[in-house]
Amino acid sequence: ETGVTQSPTHLIKTRGQQVTLRCSSQSGHNTVSWYQQALGQGPQFIFQYYREEENGRGNFPPRFSGLQFPNYSSELNVNALELDDSALYLCASSFLDRSYNEQFFGPGTRLTVL
Amino acid sequence: AQSVSQHNHHVILSEAASLELGCNYSYGGTVNLFWYVQYPGQHLQLLLKYFSGDPLVKGIKGFEAEFIKSKFSFNLRKPSVQWSDTAEYFCAVNAPGDKIIFGKGTRLHILP
Repeated sequence: ETGVTQSPTHLIKTRGQQVTLRCSSQSGHNTVSWYQQALGQGPQFIFQYYREEENGRGNFPPRFSGLQFPNYSSELNVNALELDDSALYLCASSFLDRSYNEQFFGPGTRLTVL
Repeated sequence: AQSVSQHNHHVILSEAASLELGCNYSYGGTVNLFWYVQYPGQHLQLLLKYFSGDPLVKGIKGFEAEFIKSKFSFNLRKPSVQWSDTAEYFCAVNAPGDKIIFGKGTRLHILP
């Protein structure tokens, strides 16, 4: 059983640029959630994708968008990057069930915006 | 709205000391509760979880947590810490099927 993988591991961008982060979910999982972890903070929920559709969104602006593909992998896209977008971006996969929602996290992508 | 509060931002203990990290949440309905750990340079790992049943939950590496519904608390405990427990610990909560809300984390530093 393969775990959650993310790419790239590190990324440096400048303000105004766009970025795409990728996540491969754990085998057998059908749901992917994305989190932003700023320095010294806990992960903040960005959004969740289930069966290729957005299934819940946190308090993030529309320039944060995502996709989920038929193989349950996912992308997080951020447009018009701002300095405050510098953070560790975590992807977590799970099998969506009404009573059980254990999420398995990937190693994250560290994004630095200059 | 759900929220999670972790009382201690930074805890320093000597090896063999006992540990208790506080966690309180606000949510009126049924909740799932989690403690995650992030060792230096590693990704978030689940330490233990509570979904239902016995409120005293045992996790990996000798950790346990007690769900006290009347106090909206889910404190993490370990009777005797080791240097290898140095890490950041996150309490988290979700309503079944809903997004997970994390606390801000507690940095634990164990002195050898």
